[in-house]
Amino acid sequence: GEDVEQSLFLSVREGDSSVINCTYTDSSSTYLYWYKQEPGAGLQLLTYIFSNMDMKQDQRLTVLLNKKDKHLSLRIADTQTGDSAIYFCAESRGRGSQGNLIFGKGTKLSVKP
Amino acid sequence: DGGITQSPKYLFRKEGQNVTLSCEQNLNHDAMYWYRQDPGQGLRLIYYSQIVNDFQKGDIAEGYSVSREKKESFPLTVTSAQKNPTAFYLCASRTSGDNEQFFGPGTRLTVL
Repeated sequence: GEDVEQSLFLSVREGDSSVINCTYTDSSSTYLYWYKQEPGAGLQLLTYIFSNMDMKQDQRLTVLLNKKDKHLSLRIADTQTGDSAIYFCAESRGRGSQGNLIFGKGTKLSVKP
Repeated sequence: DGGITQSPKYLFRKEGQNVTLSCEQNLNHDAMYWYRQDPGQGLRLIYYSQIVNDFQKGDIAEGYSVSREKKESFPLTVTSAQKNPTAFYLCASRTSGDNEQFFGPGTRLTVL
């Protein structure tokens, strides 16, 4: 199966919260990342979480990590139309990996006014 | 301003021609990466380089070649052997000791 899995689409109304989910497979991953890609652009790092943490909050973004289930989520509070983009979850490979990242296929978030 | 530049943003080539995509970074990063992005496929790793004069194949290296003669530069050549080269190509770099990758703006290659 895929190393990192995400649902492909999510649609929310402006002002609602968005929750994007991700599952990964490498239990030795030290860091997990969320990247944002706007149309026709490169990827921009949104936030990351170290594997010994359960939660990380950064302004409107909350990352939850369930290491037992290898489940990662990104919550965006008060979603705005400018949040419309593709969101990628990524895990770092285990030790000795030389820092390569494994990306999910991305979740396209559509925010309706 | 420090960052990663890719040029050109759009590139058109005829089938059977080799084409080289540029990637330059002034972040003093040791590692550089090339990814290919197709709709619904996410990012797939083509080649990566941890240090100057060294590089390794990623998951989909067939039909591609790279060089790393300078720390700042990691050009990707899409050869005529690549069966389906039309895609969005992303370059990234990373400093050693850190897993975060910084991405360039991408080059959209269309083979006619």
